[in-house]
Amino acid sequence: QSVLTQPPSVSGAPGQRVTISCTGSSSNIGAGYDVHWYQQLPGTAPKLLIYGHSNRPSGVPDRFSGSKSGTSASLAITGLQGEDEADYYCQSYDRSLRGWVFGTGTKVTVL
Amino acid sequence: QITLKESGPTLVKPTQTLTLTCTFSGFSLSTSGVGVGWIRQPPGKALEWLALIFWDDDKRYSPSLKTRLTITKDTSKNQVVLTMTNMDPVDTATYYCVHSTVTTNFDYWGQGTLVTVSS
Repeated sequence: QSVLTQPPSVSGAPGQRVTISCTGSSSNIGAGYDVHWYQQLPGTAPKLLIYGHSNRPSGVPDRFSGSKSGTSASLAITGLQGEDEADYYCQSYDRSLRGWVFGTGTKVTVL
Repeated sequence: QITLKESGPTLVKPTQTLTLTCTFSGFSLSTSGVGVGWIRQPPGKALEWLALIFWDDDKRYSPSLKTRLTITKDTSKNQVVLTMTNMDPVDTATYYCVHSTVTTNFDYWGQGTLVTVSS
């Protein structure tokens, strides 16, 4: 049972910009805990894409960016490419549950 | 570089206990701030955090599974073991071992191991 809510799917043409929302509550994102994003390519393990709301690990293209506002966070992909077709998950910490929580996941399709 | 690899049975029967081992390299679980945890993903579904153990032996468990989970570490062997009791078909999933720090994200992942629960 995911505590963070994401849209099931988003799509866009190559070169376009897409955004994925991650809606939480006052016990996780709204409490000030960091939001992280993961990319899961088909048949592979997830990979850390964005950490601490908006930081990219080494090697992640700057086409990926993250932001946070209130009890929500967003991941934006600009200049969409075919290799970006994947599932994306947000993640944070929840103080009520005293544990780490993931989003419901969003499938990105490149048209 | 940091690597993690899961090992354990691919098939378990309902009511049995699952034991998974994570063998890692490239870091020490005795280093301050370091943690190793487990995350699972049922086929076609979302990720679910299960448990995490830190360098100081602090252990955290998913509240919904706490009564069934035990996580331990063997620093000398660079291993972390997760046991889950009373397995059910709904526990069928790919189980991932992950590296974490006090930054609260999971920055390195194992390849995952698919565990099927069936009689």
